[in-house]
Amino acid sequence: EIVMTQSPATLSVSPGERATLSCRASQSVSTNLAWYQQKPGQAPRLLIYGTFTRATGIPARFSGSGSGTEFTLTISSLQSEDFAVYYCQQYNNWPPITFGQGTRLEIK
Amino acid sequence: EVQLVESGGGLIQPGGSLRLSCAASGFSVSSHFMSWVRQAPGKGLEWVSVIYSGSTTFYADSVKGRFTISRDNSNNTLYLQMHSLRAEDTAVYYCARDKGSCSNGVCYLYGMDVWGRGTTVTVSS
Repeated sequence: EIVMTQSPATLSVSPGERATLSCRASQSVSTNLAWYQQKPGQAPRLLIYGTFTRATGIPARFSGSGSGTEFTLTISSLQSEDFAVYYCQQYNNWPPITFGQGTRLEIK
Repeated sequence: EVQLVESGGGLIQPGGSLRLSCAASGFSVSSHFMSWVRQAPGKGLEWVSVIYSGSTTFYADSVKGRFTISRDNSNNTLYLQMHSLRAEDTAVYYCARDKGSCSNGVCYLYGMDVWGRGTTVTVSS
């Protein structure tokens, strides 16, 4: 099973600033990685798939990068609606499909 | 509109059984990869099961032998039959569509692009 590890657990950033979230895989997942955003009381929402590709309707301020075992989600200029929990997910070696434990992005 | 709506959750005693449903609209569950993902209170996301290509199914080790995923194409509904429920199965259960596809016998996933709002399962005496 591929273990996904996200860092930091909590990230405090001011609105308008850049946020960088990290995700590490225990073995290579190529670029078969997705990012999700989850707000309290809501279902997750797909942001990025295939490491780089934004899902339908996702603003350009969200971008993904990386390959192999190291991945990054960058939010270029934080808006109030971006404060949420973010999860990475690998789907290269499955089953099982595995998620990271999440990064909570909070307002500084 | 593409939509998933879960139902069937509730309070159940340890050892009991429950069947969750996930009604789809705007697309056909029979032609997509469909998963169940759960989230225990205050915890992260845990993949539970997937069904695709008619009847190919996989399960997380934590539920293997106790849970069964299925779908009814005529009702366009996904199901999760859960037996021998444990306290650690307490969670919000989401159904989700994956953009995956199969080619030449190899299947690829692309991320879960449609999610339901979830249904809550509480296992407690």
